[in-house]
Amino acid sequence: GAGVSQSPSNKVTEKGKDVELRCDPISGHTALYWYRQSLGQGLEFLIYFQGNSAPDKSGLPSDRFSAERTGGSVSTLTIQRTQQEDSAVYLCASSPGRAPLHGETQYFGPGTRLLVL
Amino acid sequence: AQSVTQLGSHVSVSEGALVLLRCNYSSSVPPYLFWYVQYPNQGLQLLLKYTTGATLVKGINGFEAEFKKSETSFHLTKPSAHMSDAAEYFCAVTHIFSSNTGKLIFGQGTTLQVKP
Repeated sequence: GAGVSQSPSNKVTEKGKDVELRCDPISGHTALYWYRQSLGQGLEFLIYFQGNSAPDKSGLPSDRFSAERTGGSVSTLTIQRTQQEDSAVYLCASSPGRAPLHGETQYFGPGTRLLVL
Repeated sequence: AQSVTQLGSHVSVSEGALVLLRCNYSSSVPPYLFWYVQYPNQGLQLLLKYTTGATLVKGINGFEAEFKKSETSFHLTKPSAHMSDAAEYFCAVTHIFSSNTGKLIFGQGTTLQVKP
């Protein structure tokens, strides 16, 4: 079956521009996560969505970062006024979302490689 | 707070040799532990996980890991390395009280090189 897909696979932008990254989770998965993978910080949690519950935004590094999930499926991560330190691979993952979540396998997409010049 | 430490950012083994990747965690409550593998330009793939029950966990591609509470460890092993095992490996932890979200806390990763 189809896995988690992300687009674009690569994005090059200029400092100060806004970017949008898209994630399509596995069909039927209600839990969706965004992580960031960078050389300096490793793999970091950014934000989590589960059904109609309020998202957990505790990992977002600044107010330039935001995310939404429309219709409980597709999610978009937006970075405003990009900075060079935002250069990283942004990974999306989904899981079925049946409680408890902690033991569930998260299925990762291939990531979006963002380069801010 | 939870944390994960992977000892050795790079590990090199010969083909056919034992693979041992070390992971130690810090958690004040019972942890759930995961090993993920990442091949170049790909996302992460689950190798195995420990949630409850048997402390020796077997995963895909011949890997296994043992949860040792007394040592706060979850080391990953494979008896005989294959060239195709060359990749980056991540240990991760979560626990039942992590705000009920299941968000993963990752170690820094270990790059495994397999020499012919």
